[in-house]
Amino acid sequence: SQELEQSPQSLIVQEGKNLTINCTSSKTLYGLYWYKQKYGEGLIFLMMLQKGGEEKSHEKITAKLDEKKQQSSLHITASQPSHAGIYLCGADPLGSGAGSYQLTFGKGTKLSVIP
Amino acid sequence: NAGVTQTPKFRILKIGQSMTLQCTQDMNHNYMYWYRQDPGMGLKLIYYSVGAGITDKGEVPNGYNVSRSTTEDFPLRLELAAPSQTSVYFCASSGTGGRNSPLHFGNGTRLTVT
Repeated sequence: SQELEQSPQSLIVQEGKNLTINCTSSKTLYGLYWYKQKYGEGLIFLMMLQKGGEEKSHEKITAKLDEKKQQSSLHITASQPSHAGIYLCGADPLGSGAGSYQLTFGKGTKLSVIP
Repeated sequence: NAGVTQTPKFRILKIGQSMTLQCTQDMNHNYMYWYRQDPGMGLKLIYYSVGAGITDKGEVPNGYNVSRSTTEDFPLRLELAAPSQTSVYFCASSGTGGRNSPLHFGNGTRLTVT
């Protein structure tokens, strides 16, 4: 089965600093999804990457997919307290089958932003 | 929009008791899922459904049952609660189940079995 390793496990940054979270897969990545979770809430969809080399941005968050390295990175520019939470990556295993959508998730990266 | 709604938000069960976690969505999504999230362990898929009347096992189905009688509802049943089922449970739905369809999650049910 596919495994996703996220690094770092936790991160504390000063407000205004940039940061990067990585997600590395044990198998070929077909699609990679980034979610954000706040305590007591569900997961909020951030971005989906489908092609090697693909890069997407939303506000101050940029995600990239390096298919050859089986890795994705999430970069936050000029972090704010509102960015605090747990970031999870999820991957759609290659060959999971038509009509099947069973994401595998990483264990998450806990981000704290100090004002 | 309500999206995916889960009830209850919290529950404490004694070993051997049973309960049903409710999940409903108002987005007319065909695909629905139940995940559990344990501290430091990420999300594990329990069961999923591709449409009314169709369900299938995920990675960790033992001790759970599901049904899907309508498009909107996907309840999760625990028959004989065990301490190992202490977890946070998330219900999710997606439009087509395809790779272009992100999951929409509910806010979770925090279950403690003692």
